[in-house]
Amino acid sequence: ETGVTQTPRHLVMGMTNKKSLKCEQHLGHNAMYWYKQSAKKPLELMFVYNFKEQTENNSVPSRFSPECPNSSHLFLHLHTLQPEDSALYLCASSRWSSGGADEQFFGPGTRLTVL
Amino acid sequence: ILNVEQSPQSLHVQEGDSTNFTCSFPSSNFYALHWYRWETAKSPEALFVMTLNGDEKKKGRISATLNTKEGYSYLYIKGSQPEDSATYLCAFTIQGAQKLVFGQGTRLTINP
Repeated sequence: ETGVTQTPRHLVMGMTNKKSLKCEQHLGHNAMYWYKQSAKKPLELMFVYNFKEQTENNSVPSRFSPECPNSSHLFLHLHTLQPEDSALYLCASSRWSSGGADEQFFGPGTRLTVL
Repeated sequence: ILNVEQSPQSLHVQEGDSTNFTCSFPSSNFYALHWYRWETAKSPEALFVMTLNGDEKKKGRISATLNTKEGYSYLYIKGSQPEDSATYLCAFTIQGAQKLVFGQGTRLTINP
């Protein structure tokens, strides 16, 4: 696969489970992002990483824990989630050459259901 | 509070007709305006990124304009085709920030 890939595509978990979402980009980009889309709400930024360093945390609860081991991989570790965390989680990447004017390339998303 | 409004929320257009929709955003500290197309079961795909007041960009039958002084952008689709059916998202960033603030989108359906 090319572009931005995400695994798994679908995930069902209980509130006491621990799981991880994975994102990989094959575009040589240096910035990676996690977004959340809940039903009937706009896409909402969660985290931004530039050159493996976290530069934005949009007041995300600590039950979501991101990890960026290198510029190509981004993880979102999940633990003790709530049913209201059920949503589509999208990963994106960009070049990071002109900051907010760089177009972002999105993965297909992980549809998460918390029971 | 940074807020992006898109209108209409949904739109049905006959194949062959032209259409347009609006994105409104705060004009202060503006940096860039993005348009994305999101087809069902696919990833959002960038259409345009605009930064300058008066910018006009075109890609095939789709074009966009930008007015940063009054805080709006229009997206135009000429001669709609069924493959144009998608949700069109706009998002903006402010100076010194990488955070994209998205609108709720306009869901466009082209009727054959």
